[in-house]
Amino acid sequence: DVVMTQSPLSLPVTLGQPASISCRSSQSLVHSDGDTYLNWFHQRPGQSPRRLIYKVSNRDSGVPDRFSGSGSGTDFTLKISRVEAEDVGVYYCMQGIRWPPITFGQGTRVEIK
Amino acid sequence: EVQLLESGGGLIPPGGSLRLSCAASGFTFSSYAMSWVRQAPGKGLEWVSSIIGLSGRTDYADSVKGRFTISRDITKNTLFLQMNSPRAEDTAVYYCAKDAVSGDGVYDFDHWGQGTLVTVSS
Repeated sequence: DVVMTQSPLSLPVTLGQPASISCRSSQSLVHSDGDTYLNWFHQRPGQSPRRLIYKVSNRDSGVPDRFSGSGSGTDFTLKISRVEAEDVGVYYCMQGIRWPPITFGQGTRVEIK
Repeated sequence: EVQLLESGGGLIPPGGSLRLSCAASGFTFSSYAMSWVRQAPGKGLEWVSSIIGLSGRTDYADSVKGRFTISRDITKNTLFLQMNSPRAEDTAVYYCAKDAVSGDGVYDFDHWGQGTLVTVSS
């Protein structure tokens, strides 16, 4: 099974400051088609998860450009350039290329200091 | 607009049975893989099961294999999860999720339902 490891698990941030979350996979997420399949989701308290980023760095429609994804192979990063109040919640990385099983990271809780 | 609406959750005793449903709309249901993902109280996301759109192939997490069955009715655009012999550790919010691209062999959940809570307790 592909293990997804996120860090940190808790991230207190100041409004307007940057934030960064790391996700590492135990196996390469590079597909035979040449693309790398790593997704990021955001879950606000009491809500369903929402996809933010797909294939490492592609933002979903409506996702603010303060969110960016980067990385390759097994090491990936989600960055928020300037944290806003609506960004609180839990962020998950996910791989769906080497399945079953489909696997998620443990989640990183972002809160405002 | 893609919509996924789960139903069927509730209180179920250990060893009982329950069927969850997910009504889908806004896309060609038969063409896309669909999945169930759960979240135990205060915990992270855990993949449970998937059914591939075109082939109907099914896959399960080891934790539910042999107890849960995923299926679909393409005439009613509905996804199901039959839960048999549930255990206390199956208590969770169950989400259905749609795959982003049809037939590419990669799972990528671009839409999620609002979830339905299943509580396993006597």
